[in-house]
Amino acid sequence: DTEVTQTPKHLVMGMTNKKSLKCEQHMGHRAMYWYKQKAKKPPELMFVYSYEKLSINESVPSRFSPECPNSSLLNLHLHALQPEDSALYLCASSQEGAGISGNTIYFGEGSWLTVV
Amino acid sequence: DAKTTQPPSMDCAEGRAANLPCNHSTISGNEYVYWYRQIHSQGPQYIIHGLKNNETNEMASLIITEDRKSSTLILPHATLRDTAVYYCIVRNAGNMLTFGGGTRLMVKP
Repeated sequence: DTEVTQTPKHLVMGMTNKKSLKCEQHMGHRAMYWYKQKAKKPPELMFVYSYEKLSINESVPSRFSPECPNSSLLNLHLHALQPEDSALYLCASSQEGAGISGNTIYFGEGSWLTVV
Repeated sequence: DAKTTQPPSMDCAEGRAANLPCNHSTISGNEYVYWYRQIHSQGPQYIIHGLKNNETNEMASLIITEDRKSSTLILPHATLRDTAVYYCIVRNAGNMLTFGGGTRLMVKP
């Protein structure tokens, strides 16, 4: 089983709303990731969690707030977003933390976010 | 981080082998080459990865040159469902995947 589950699949939110994207995996992976993908562009890394601690923040604006409540769950809290934040948000996980480049990273199907 | 260079697009006839090239001339000795593909509106799908030796699985084969400066992903019998963007990625020591532009493969009947 190499499944990473993301909810919701589609989300429309206003610029003053607070919403969350959720990600879950039951593969025992200890590294989890958030990527952002704009239309016709490759995915871009936002955050990396290793053993439930934030290890990498790629200078993401504070209106995006990640949270890793336990080793199976990863959330992305959204507040005061802008229309340009509309994108596909991808969650991923891998077996080990930073430094082990031979472990495969598995992606979920993504959450399509539209900010109006 | 080692960067990769891929052709932006390629066509392949259905049933024929699709050979997707990738250059990674600055790759370090302990960096792996990963291939993912992304079918429209879906998350990236892992295909295969390798370090030095050629690799094969049920989806594809990966041929890495002896100097490791380039590689080729081979889909032996391409189908219409293989139409996707294919990403060649060199995995850095920070355990991240940094995506480049990829190759848009169009499999045609």
